[in-house]
Order: sequence, then structure tokens, then C-alpha cells
Amino acid sequence: SAVISQKPSRDICQRGTSLTIQCQVDSQVTMMFWYRQQPGQSLTLIATANQGSEATYESGFVIDKFPISRPNLTFSTLTVSNMSPEDSSIYLCSVEDDAPPEFFGPGTRLTVL
Amino acid sequence: GQQLNQSPQSMFIQEGEDVSMNCTSSSIFNTWLWYKQDPGEGPVLLIALYKAGELTSNGRLTAQFGITRKDSFLNISASIPSDVGIYFCAGQSGNNRKLIWGLGTSLAVNP
Repeated sequence: SAVISQKPSRDICQRGTSLTIQCQVDSQVTMMFWYRQQPGQSLTLIATANQGSEATYESGFVIDKFPISRPNLTFSTLTVSNMSPEDSSIYLCSVEDDAPPEFFGPGTRLTVL
Repeated sequence: GQQLNQSPQSMFIQEGEDVSMNCTSSSIFNTWLWYKQDPGEGPVLLIALYKAGELTSNGRLTAQFGITRKDSFLNISASIPSDVGIYFCAGQSGNNRKLIWGLGTSLAVNP
């Protein structure tokens, strides 16, 4: 399976600021996804990162709040914009090649004060 | 959004005991996946199931894809302390690449 890294692994941020999370894969993959996992909860899909085009967002998530880039088949970024304490979560990227399963990165633990 | 019914929500067992957890859905899935998540880490894939009736093992773990395609179970035999964590089921249906997730089963093992 692909090796996935995320940066930063954790951060503490002030409300109103933005944080960009990077996801790097060691091989080209077809699909890249971004998830949010609130404390003690299951995973919620934010969006599918599309290479060379706008991401596909799930209901309840918008591009202005969570802009996503995917310039190539091994890299993607998620920005959490204008943060509030409610954005405190673990943010996970995952990858899938031509078929399931998805493989996950180690996550970015975000705390907003 | 849609979620799977995963049970039990939590378990506290003695080392050496066997564990069973399951997931059910109101709709049919083509793929069932089982993940384990340790604190501060991302989910790690344990077992992937692709056919109704499929029974697959990974060491002490065994999972089955229900023949109705609406359920799956995961068994852990002879539990050890490192089995502690949260276990998630996830399913995928048809051409929709989006995974549907269970709420997780939290496992604690008393050595």
C-alpha cells in the first residue's frame, strides 16, 4: 500500500486564522480524499480532491471554508480558513487507486483557541 | 449523512478472550472494509471484503461479508493488549466511491 505523510502532525491556532495541511503520497494514486474526525466521532468526508480541477465537496462543506488543491497525482493540500474552536478536529487525507480500499495518512490534529 | 449501525459501541474484555463486532446497513454494499484506529493515528486497514459470503482472515482477525450484502462482522481471537483501539467498519456501494462509516467500536483489553 502507498505511504502517506501529512504535515503538520498537529497545530494550535488562534481563531480567525487559516491553516494549510499537506498530504504527500509516495506513488501516483487515482483518488485523494479529505476527512474530518471530530473528538470521539467517526470520519466525515469533506471532499474529493480532483487533480487539475476543483474539488468535489460533500454536503455541509464549502470551498470558501475548505479550499483544496491537487496539483498532481501525489500531492494535495487542505486549508481550514477563518478558523473557530468548532474546527478543532483531526483532519485526515486518504488515497485510493483504481478500486477500494482507501488508505489513510497519520492525520493532523488541529486545536483552535 | 448515511451511517452504518455498528455494535457494540464499546467493549471491555480480559486478555485472551475472543471479540466479535458487527455492522449492518439498510442498503446493499459491494465492499466492506474494517479499520483500526489507535489514539493520535489515522485508521489502518485490517481486512477488505469484496464478495457476498466472503470470509477473510488476517492473523487473529476474521471478517465476513454477509450474504445479504447488508452486513459484516469482525472477530478477534485470543485478544492481546495491543488490540486496544477503535474499530471502524466502512462500506461502499455501486459506482459511488464514497465510503459510508460506522460509528466505531471502542475495545479495551485488561491484561
